[in-house]
Amino acid sequence: DVKVTQSSRYLVKRTGEKVFLECVQDMDHENMFWYRQDPGLGLRLIYFSYDVKMKEKGDIPEGYSVSREKKERFSLILESASTNQTSMYLCASSLWGQGGSPLHFGNGTRLTVT
Amino acid sequence: GQQVMQIPQYQHVQEGEDFTTYCNSSTTLSNIQWYKQRPGGHPVFLIQLVKSGEVKKQKRLTFQFGEAKKNSSLHITATQTTDVGTYFCAGVSLGDKLIFGTGTRLQVFP
Repeated sequence: DVKVTQSSRYLVKRTGEKVFLECVQDMDHENMFWYRQDPGLGLRLIYFSYDVKMKEKGDIPEGYSVSREKKERFSLILESASTNQTSMYLCASSLWGQGGSPLHFGNGTRLTVT
Repeated sequence: GQQVMQIPQYQHVQEGEDFTTYCNSSTTLSNIQWYKQRPGGHPVFLIQLVKSGEVKKQKRLTFQFGEAKKNSSLHITATQTTDVGTYFCAGVSLGDKLIFGTGTRLQVFP
């Protein structure tokens, strides 16, 4: 069974701080994704990666960056956190690219920026 | 840009009643996926539909993909309290982009 683990369930940060959200998957999946989930807006794709050191912008990449140094790990970085980045962040992995196979999600990190 | 609209946004039903959520895309889809997210949980994959007009069943859940591959529906027969959660469709465009619908939150009263 695929396991996607996000390092923190809840996180509170101050405006301007640099924030790292970590995600690890144990199924050797090529593809990893970062989404944010906000009420009424569904899930919106921030960034995805289809291979180590490869990254692609999603629909809302502004204010975020990512890092994929190892196949199993995909990090989301908020360079300078702002209050409008308060949200639920969901990491996911899949065997094939977008829509090619099911997404397996982590439990999510609820980030509050004050 | 491509949009995937989902209705209704909320649905409250009495246990035992049926429930349907609808998903509509502005463009033709190559396939569509459905996910369920329990309160406080994360989205969990339910099913993928690929063929035009396809109908798939999982116990009390029936999933349908439209003939034109631009819409889909999820129907739950005789809801139970365990069905509570938010149901998302996710359409895959012909350019292999996955777009999530806004979700339908289902509340079931015993």
